Amino acid sequence: ILNVEQSPQSLHVQEGDSTNFTCSFPSSNFYALHWYRWETAKSPEALFVMTLNGDEKKKGRISATLNTKEGYSYLYIKGSQPEDSATYLCALNTGTASKLTFGTGTRLQVTL
Amino acid sequence: DVKVTQSSRYLVKRTGEKVFLECVQDMDHENMFWYRQDPGLGLRLIYFSYDVKMKEKGDIPEGYSVSREKKERFSLILESASTNQTSMYLCASSLRLSGSTDTQYFGPGTRLTVL
Repeated sequence: ILNVEQSPQSLHVQEGDSTNFTCSFPSSNFYALHWYRWETAKSPEALFVMTLNGDEKKKGRISATLNTKEGYSYLYIKGSQPEDSATYLCALNTGTASKLTFGTGTRLQVTL
Repeated sequence: DVKVTQSSRYLVKRTGEKVFLECVQDMDHENMFWYRQDPGLGLRLIYFSYDVKMKEKGDIPEGYSVSREKKERFSLILESASTNQTSMYLCASSLRLSGSTDTQYFGPGTRLTVL
């Protein structure tokens, strides 16, 4: 079974702090990497899809980078806000059509 | 906006019961997926479907079956529910474009408890 690892498992930051977390995957299996945000009591929502080595995506205060050769992606949040509190999931596509393998997620809590 | 709906948010069943979880999407997506989410294990794929009447096993299909008679509806069936099937079940759909970059759109989840 493909292993997609995320770290840390959970994170607690203060409002205004910047933070980042990691998704690691076997580089030999890479086709695309997806990031999702899952807020409590809501549905997971797509943040980014990344395909190219060196790719960087940005959406507001959230950005992500990708290194396919070494098999990792970083998600950064600048100036965390309480509404950023959620579980952040990364998922790997290994070329089997639309099938994704998910990591266990990083649970972020931002407090005032 | 894509909308994926699931028939129940919370469900309580007894061991041995047959359980149906229904998922409907309204965007004419070809692909549909069923996942379960357990603490510390992330989302694990149970079954997926690329088209009507087509289904493929995911990583943990044991104890489950699926049905896709219409494009918009994908049902997950627990033939004889067991306590180890207590979990959060999420349905997702995606438009089949490139495959690897297809975004999946998720429903709100059904929290199933088997007593």
